[in-house]
Amino acid sequence: GENVEQHPSTLSVQEGDSAVIKCTYSDSASNYFPWYKQELGKGPQLIIDIRSNVGEKKDQRIAVTLNKTAKHFSLHITETQPEDSAVYFCAVPLGGGSNYKLTFGKGTLLTVNP
Amino acid sequence: EAGVTQFPSHSVIEKGQTVTLRCDPISGHDNLYWYRRVMGKEIKFLLHFVKESKQDESGMPNNRFLAERTGGTYSTLKVQPAELEDSGVYFCASSQWQGLNIQYFGAGTRLSVL
Repeated sequence: GENVEQHPSTLSVQEGDSAVIKCTYSDSASNYFPWYKQELGKGPQLIIDIRSNVGEKKDQRIAVTLNKTAKHFSLHITETQPEDSAVYFCAVPLGGGSNYKLTFGKGTLLTVNP
Repeated sequence: EAGVTQFPSHSVIEKGQTVTLRCDPISGHDNLYWYRRVMGKEIKFLLHFVKESKQDESGMPNNRFLAERTGGTYSTLKVQPAELEDSGVYFCASSQWQGLNIQYFGAGTRLSVL
């Protein structure tokens, strides 16, 4: 099955700094890579995703980069703000062509200090 | 548009009792997924419905867990009898189509088995 490693497990930055979270995966057939943000008391919410036909995608202060050769993808948050504080999860589809069930990383607790 | 809703938000029961969790997906979403996060571990897939049919229940831990989706609308997940290791947060997600499509998550049900 799919194995997803996410690092770091915790990350503390100063407001305005950048934050980078990285995930590596094992199944080379994976072709969809979402990032979810979970705030306290809420469920995971999709913040950005990338398909395997592109190497980078950006949405305002959030970007995701994908390296299919190395089998890793990263979340980049620039100009961090206190409201970015949350747990972030990467995910990949489980089992090659089975794109409907997700395998998640263990999560990264991001703290943005004002 | 209402999101995925889950009930209850928190349930505390004793070992050996029965608990039923409910999930209402986004209206019109044929695909419904159950996931759970046990303390300190990653979010793991449990099962997937397409309308009222179980498409994949490979993640269900054992036969104490029973999921249903009668009529293809809301779903229930029953744990009977509950064990201590069943404690965790149970998430429901829904999506409109299979494949590379966004899964929207509910806020989860926190289950505590004492």
